[in-house]
Amino acid sequence: RKEVEQDPGPFNVPEGATVAFNCTYSNSASQSFFWYRQDCRKEPKLLMSVYSSGNEDGRFTAQLNRASQYISLLIRDSKLSDSATYLCVVNMLSSSASKIIFGSGTRLSIRP
Amino acid sequence: EAQVTQNPRYLITVTGKKLTVTCSQNMNHEYMSWYRQDPGLGLRQIYYSMNVEVTDKGDVPEGYKVSRKEKRNFPLILESPSPNQTSLYFCASSPRDRVSGANVLTFGAGSRLTVL
Repeated sequence: RKEVEQDPGPFNVPEGATVAFNCTYSNSASQSFFWYRQDCRKEPKLLMSVYSSGNEDGRFTAQLNRASQYISLLIRDSKLSDSATYLCVVNMLSSSASKIIFGSGTRLSIRP
Repeated sequence: EAQVTQNPRYLITVTGKKLTVTCSQNMNHEYMSWYRQDPGLGLRQIYYSMNVEVTDKGDVPEGYKVSRKEKRNFPLILESPSPNQTSLYFCASSPRDRVSGANVLTFGAGSRLTVL
């Protein structure tokens, strides 16, 4: 079983729709969680961190459920420019090491 | 401009010919890391470095070497490249968050390597 699992998609939704992605992680020692966005043939870029209480950044909402070991990303009023691959990232930390694990990504395509 | 710079961006080489992919960051970040990205497998960590002179293996270190002699540079060395190392490589760096310890990564633009 992969340490971080995502539905690969692709999700193909019309402009203006609301879309949600989930990501599950297997290691309960995971401590920090992020969503990154990657455009085709480009480097990943941080979209948002995910906090235990849930957090919102404009049209984007991230949630963390530690008991069930999943994180989610909700995109409201989707735009054509939201088309990208969304990567779930989990960070496990100790005083001497940092393990950062990426999910394989969920492809999102927004159609006019 | 704060950035992570990788070179070369594109390289075609032959099996067994040693090569180095350079990575440099100008943000004084402690943490640096190398990843490879392959279709269906996502980003996999090759090596990482928590600080100068400290390097550790990631998930797929076989066939690679790294060094961290200076804070800003973290080169990836392929001593004897093989075709299964054909991939898209990303270097990334991060400050060490003293509160949460979390690493928010800034990536280089990527290096596409083909080994024939």
